[in-house]
Amino acid sequence: GIQVEQSPPDLILQEGANSTLRCNFSDSVNNLQWFHQNPWGQLINLFYIPSGTKQNGRLSATTVATERYSLLYISSSQTTDSGVYFCAVERNFGNEKLTFGTGTRLTIIP
Amino acid sequence: DAGVIQSPRHEVTEMGQEVTLRCKPISGHDYLFWYRQTMMRGLELLIYFNNNVPIDDSGMPEDRFSAKMPNASFSTLKIQPSEPRDSAVYFCASSPGQGGYFGPGTRLTVT
Repeated sequence: GIQVEQSPPDLILQEGANSTLRCNFSDSVNNLQWFHQNPWGQLINLFYIPSGTKQNGRLSATTVATERYSLLYISSSQTTDSGVYFCAVERNFGNEKLTFGTGTRLTIIP
Repeated sequence: DAGVIQSPRHEVTEMGQEVTLRCKPISGHDYLFWYRQTMMRGLELLIYFNNNVPIDDSGMPEDRFSAKMPNASFSTLKIQPSEPRDSAVYFCASSPGQGGYFGPGTRLTVT
């Protein structure tokens, strides 16, 4: 099956810093999503981004499908950004299921 | 829409007991997924349905696990009998065809 790798596995930053999270995938995909799992365990959709660039407030994401990677940017980090960020991809070959990466654990220190 | 609804949010049970997890997907979504999250294995897909029909249950760990979707607005994941290694967070997600919208999860602890 498709492999999804995220880096770095852990990231500790001071409040106010910027960060870049990376997601590499091993095959062509029709969909890519970024999720934030907050410290309470809730999985929250951030972006649905099979290609191109999207922005939502302090967060933005870019997917370069031809090169099989996606980047999530977080600017001016806040403590509420702490948690695990998952990348998940989907291939439309008769099924519609997401394959998740192992996540990046982000800790923002006040 | 209230989003994907799961119940219970927390379940603590003794080994050998039957556990039933419930999910109400977002109205209009044709796909429903059950995921399990553990520290050791991360997020893994257990089973998914399309229009109430199970499509792929290859992720179901063993015969103790079963899932049903009797109608478009309700699904259950049942574990019988439960074992301590089943302790995990179980997520239900629904989708209109692409992407996934997750419920809050059920944290299951089997002692």
